[in-house]
Amino acid sequence: QQQVKQSPQSLIVQKGGISIINCAYENTAFDYFPWYQQFPGKGPALLIAIRPDVSEKKEGRFTISFNKSAKQFSLHIMDSQPGDSATYFCAASMAESNTGKLIFGQGTTLQVKP
Amino acid sequence: DAGVIQSPRHEVTEMGQEVTLRCKPISGHDYLFWYRQTMMRGLELLIYFNNNVPIDDSGMPEDRFSAKMPNASFSTLKIQPSEPRDSAVYFCASSLASLAGETDTQYFGPGTRLTVL
Repeated sequence: QQQVKQSPQSLIVQKGGISIINCAYENTAFDYFPWYQQFPGKGPALLIAIRPDVSEKKEGRFTISFNKSAKQFSLHIMDSQPGDSATYFCAASMAESNTGKLIFGQGTTLQVKP
Repeated sequence: DAGVIQSPRHEVTEMGQEVTLRCKPISGHDYLFWYRQTMMRGLELLIYFNNNVPIDDSGMPEDRFSAKMPNASFSTLKIQPSEPRDSAVYFCASSLASLAGETDTQYFGPGTRLTVL
C-alpha cells in the first residue's frame, strides 16, 4: 500500500513531441506528489509538485495531471527537447505526518531524439 | 550554499572491506536521508534522520549497514563487510521541515558510486 507504481520504464520521443509518464498509488493518505528529474551522474532534483486539491499544475512545458478518484497522476512534457533526456521519478508523501519521507516510483528513462 | 556534499564521489573496494560514505547536509536542514540507487531496484530509502536522530531504518538491507549522524552537519553510512551486491550509487539528501501539512523539497547530493569487487 506504500508503493508508487510508475510506467513506462523507458520512453523515446522525437524532438517537439509530448512525453507522458504515469504513476499510480494505493494509499489514500498520500497528499503530496512531486516529480524529480535526474541527469546522468547527478542526484535527483525537484521538477514540479502537486497537491490533491487541484487536478492540474503547469510550469512552463511541464504539467502534472492528477486524478484523485483513480489514484493516478502523470507528468506531461510538451515540446520535448533533447535537453529533457533524463530519468524521471514520481513520488508521494503524507505531508500531514510531517515526516519528510517520500515514496519514489521506479523511474522512467526518457530519451528525446533530435 | 554549496548544497549537499558527499564524499568520496567514487569508491572501489574489495569484498570484505569496510566502506564509509560521508555526507554534509545543507546548513539548517533538519532531515537527512540516505538512498541507494541501482538499475534493478531503483531509488531505495535506506534510513533517515530528524534532528540527528534516526527515525526510520527499515530500509537498511542488513546488519552490515549502519548509519550515524553525530551532529547536524555530518552523517556517515558504513558497510562492513562489503559485498559485490552492495555496488550501487548512494545518495544523501536533506530537507527542512516546515509546518505540519507541508512537505519540503529534498535536496540530493551528487552521490557516491560504490563498486565492490
